[in-house]
Amino acid sequence: AQSVTQLDSHVSVSEGTPVLLRCNYSSSYSPSLFWYVQHPNKGLQLLLKYTSAATLVKGINGFEAEFKKSETSFHLTKPSAHMSDAAEYFCVVRGVGGSYIPTFGRGTSLIVHP
Amino acid sequence: DAGVTQSPTHLIKTRGQHVTLRCSPISGHKSVSWYQQVLGQGPQFIFQYYEKEERGRGNFPDRFSARQFPNYSSELNVNALLLGDSALYLCASSLEDSGNTIYFGEGSWLTVV
Repeated sequence: AQSVTQLDSHVSVSEGTPVLLRCNYSSSYSPSLFWYVQHPNKGLQLLLKYTSAATLVKGINGFEAEFKKSETSFHLTKPSAHMSDAAEYFCVVRGVGGSYIPTFGRGTSLIVHP
Repeated sequence: DAGVTQSPTHLIKTRGQHVTLRCSPISGHKSVSWYQQVLGQGPQFIFQYYEKEERGRGNFPDRFSARQFPNYSSELNVNALLLGDSALYLCASSLEDSGNTIYFGEGSWLTVV
């Protein structure tokens, strides 16, 4: 069994300040973890992925995430928010060696104030 | 290279009607999956197909069906539409039936009136 918990439904930051979107997961198998971003009325775009290589993963647009097995977390960060980062973010777990069906978190809406 | 393409992008149907949504995966990808995203929620898994065989099915009624063709494209069919079927339907593709990255299309917006 696998599950994903995004700890915040909304995160509000000012432009130029750091972003932290939190994600905890559970998986019976070695997981692959992903963050996707969805802008209004658009599909999902892959930001970054963890697949058992380096625990610190760098993605597009300055985002990065750190896989912490001991904490079962995969939080998404960015040093400085931009107005264009305002969107919905989804944390996704996909088991490797077990269930390949991805499980999505409920999503975190990132609001960026000027 | 083209990404995952879906058609139509928007459509309006009446309750009780049938709808067919189409998806072309990224070239070389053999696995296609379908998701329903209701407004304000995360995507919910409907089906996964790999090499034309159903590999997974989510908690959706039998009104929902899908298939994958020899060229790996796919169709999602929904019969006897209900108002609650109004949603964004996302198709995604991946290389194989494993933990590989899944890539999403822009989706098909279905409105049932």
